[in-house]
This record gives sequence, structure tokens and C-alpha cells, in this order.
Amino acid sequence: ELKVEQNPLFLSMQEGKNYTIYCNYSTTSDRLYWYRQDPGKSLESLFVLLSNGAVKQEGRLMASLDTKARLSTLHITAAVHDLSATYFCAVDIFSSSGSARQLTFGSGTQLTVLP
Amino acid sequence: NAGVTQTPKFQVLKTGQSMTLQCAQDMNHNSMYWYRQDPGMGLRLIYYSASEGTTDKGEVPNGYNVSRLNKREFSLRLESAAPSQTSVYFCASSEGPSSEDGYTFGSGTRLTVV
Repeated sequence: ELKVEQNPLFLSMQEGKNYTIYCNYSTTSDRLYWYRQDPGKSLESLFVLLSNGAVKQEGRLMASLDTKARLSTLHITAAVHDLSATYFCAVDIFSSSGSARQLTFGSGTQLTVLP
Repeated sequence: NAGVTQTPKFQVLKTGQSMTLQCAQDMNHNSMYWYRQDPGMGLRLIYYSASEGTTDKGEVPNGYNVSRLNKREFSLRLESAAPSQTSVYFCASSEGPSSEDGYTFGSGTRLTVV
């Protein structure tokens, strides 16, 4: 059974600071997603990482994937209040039947950026 | 482009009542999924449908049934609702296992069972 562990679960940081969210998973996969969720809202796709060594950046967020270490990171640079949200990583693997792919989510990191 | 549409957006049920959550996508996607999200947790897969005419259990299928009515629609039924099924339910779709386009999520159905 695939396990996806995110840490930290809660993160409170000052504006302008840098921090990294970690996502570890237990089964081989070469595909991982990062999502953002605002309170009461659906999931917003941030990054799709499709191979070992993949790195993607959008604004103050940068995501990377190391499939050998089974680790993905989401790095926040010079945080601003608008980044306050819950961030999820999700590992994409084939279903047991092989007929479809499916996502297994981490528990999420609730980020609060303080002025 | 509507994407993935879920109805209803909110629902309150009494214990033992039944209801069906509806999901429809207009992207001609092959695969569709139902997830639930409980407070402080990530989404957990209830059921999925790899293609029209097929359905399979996910991580937490107990207490639910699904129907892939056609390529566009995938419904989730609670036959006898229990308080433990109070949750936010998300439907998602994807083109299929060979696609790199990812998943599209609906806006969610917030269900309370009292």
C-alpha cells in the first residue's frame, strides 16, 4: 500500500522568509503533483512532475522530484501573505488492475504567512 | 469550458437516508474518480472508473456505490447514510493512464449526516 507523508503538517512563517515542504512516498513512481487548496475551495493544480530530476518553478514556488529517493520538495522563496493555503502532494501510480492511474495524497501542509 | 461539474454543492442528510451525488465532465475524459476529504486530511479515493462501463474500488469504498452512466457522468450513491460519511466529496477526471495532462477536479459536495 502506497504511503505518502508530508511534513511539516503546519507551517507558520514570516513574510520574506524561505522554507521547504517535504513529500516522501513509499512506492516507486515517476509522477507527482502539487496542489493548493484555499479554505472551502477545490484543488488548484500547481505543478506536475513527470520524471526523475524534474524541477518546475512558478513565481515564488519551486517543486522538484527525486524518484530514487522517493522525495519531492516544494520550496517557498520570500513568502508573501497570498501564499497562505494548504498544500498537498499527490503521487500518481497505476491502479492494481493496471487500467487507470490514481492519486494518493499526503495529509497536507497548512501554511500561514505572517506579516 | 465547464470542466467537472458536481451537484449538489451542499447537502444535509439524516442518518439512514440515501442520496446520489452527481458528477459530469465535458472534456471527453476516459477516467473518473470519487474522493472524500475529511478535516485535516488529504483526499482518499472511494471509487474510480477507468473507462465507460467499468468501475473499481479505491481505498475507502465501504458504504458507497457508483455508476458510470456514460462517458460523461459518474455518480456516487450513499444507500444508508451514516455520520461517518460526513465529508467533502470531490469528483475528478483524467484523459487516461497514458496522458500527462493530469487531473481535473470538481468544486466539491459538502455533505453533513446528522
